Amino acid sequence: GENVEQHPSTLSVQEGDSAVIKCTYSDSASNYFPWYKQELGKGPQLIIDIRSNVGEKKDQRIAVTLNKTAKHFSLHITETQPEDSAVYFCAASKSGGSYIPTFGRGTSLIVHP
Amino acid sequence: NAGVTQTPKFQVLKTGQSMTLQCAQDMNHNSMYWYRQDPGMGLRLIYYSASEGTTDKGEVPNGYNVSRLNKREFSLRLESAAPSQTSVYFCASKEGNANTEAFFGQGTRLTVV
Repeated sequence: GENVEQHPSTLSVQEGDSAVIKCTYSDSASNYFPWYKQELGKGPQLIIDIRSNVGEKKDQRIAVTLNKTAKHFSLHITETQPEDSAVYFCAASKSGGSYIPTFGRGTSLIVHP
Repeated sequence: NAGVTQTPKFQVLKTGQSMTLQCAQDMNHNSMYWYRQDPGMGLRLIYYSASEGTTDKGEVPNGYNVSRLNKREFSLRLESAAPSQTSVYFCASKEGNANTEAFFGQGTRLTVV
């Protein structure tokens, strides 16, 4: 089955800095890569996703890049704010079967004011 | 918009006790999932239901059973709770047969003593 590795497990930045979280996946058939944000005491919530026919996608201060050849994708957050502090999960899934997302282990992002 | 609703939010069990975690979604989704979240382990799939009337094992099914009661509801049962089942449990749902966003409940924090 699919295996998703996520790094780093913890990331501490100063407000205004950029943050980058990286994930690799094992199944070359995976073609959908969502990112979820989990705030304290809540369930994960989708913040951005990318499909395998696209190399980069942006939404205001967040962007995701995908390298299909290397089987890795990254989340970029610019101009970080204290409210960006949360746990971020990457995931991967493929078409066919049950379309089940496999999640990485999560990154705890701490933004210091 | 209720989305995905889980009950209870918190529960303490003694070893050997049984309980059922309830999950309901109001988005007419075909697929529903149960995950557990443990520190450093990310979100691990326990069981899933690709459509009403079907259930399948995920990565960590031992010690659990599920019931897809109807399209809206998907319950998780612990027949004889063990301390290793202390965790935060999340129910999620998404459209079936498509790579789309998964919607999560608020979670159930379960402690087994």
